Amino acid sequence: DTGVSQNPRHKITKRGQNVTFRCDPISEHNRLYWYRQTLGQGPEFLTYFQNEAQLEKSRLLSDRFSAERPKGSFSTLEIQRTEQGDSAMYLCASSPSNRDGYTFGSGTRLTVV
Amino acid sequence: SQQGEEDPQALSIQEGENATMNCSYKTSINNLQWYRQNSGRGLVHLILIRSNEREKHSGRLRVTLDTSKKSSSLLITASRAADTASYFCATDGGNKLVFGAGTILRVKS
Repeated sequence: DTGVSQNPRHKITKRGQNVTFRCDPISEHNRLYWYRQTLGQGPEFLTYFQNEAQLEKSRLLSDRFSAERPKGSFSTLEIQRTEQGDSAMYLCASSPSNRDGYTFGSGTRLTVV
Repeated sequence: SQQGEEDPQALSIQEGENATMNCSYKTSINNLQWYRQNSGRGLVHLILIRSNEREKHSGRLRVTLDTSKKSSSLLITASRAADTASYFCATDGGNKLVFGAGTILRVKS
């Protein structure tokens, strides 16, 4: 297992377009997290899955954002009708339990122009 | 919201010196974790300290936790240029970790 994989690494999109990011967690980890990070700030929690169930969503996750984790494996994060304020690094992480550290992917950097 | 707050915001030291970063938090925790992030990359887990532990070591890293003061410190001994990165503390907020804004460490060679 090579760790948490995120695709694409970079995405430039025009305002109003939809984008989808993918995260492949470590296969043994049943917990998967999405975070957003802007320049100079720490990661901000977006949502959390345990297996295929989405158990928590941040208020940051507006109705333009949706995340799925079909069959408890990979996850996708979709942003509809992107806005310039959505420009950020989107980080995915996985962990085997809530008593362990997270393994992060390298992130997807989104730029909305 | 970010529960942990790191101090200082930025730190610049010479190679070989020790670097100390502090983290304060607001609510009770089960564990506190420290992560490193190189520019433009994902975060790397460094060390986890549980609420019933007071000190933990991992290589050149030493973490302390004072639950009565709701604070933690990360000490990096004999720093190297490769330690240049941002360092974040994170506390467990129920189902997820809550990160602070981080300390930017620059180690000059």
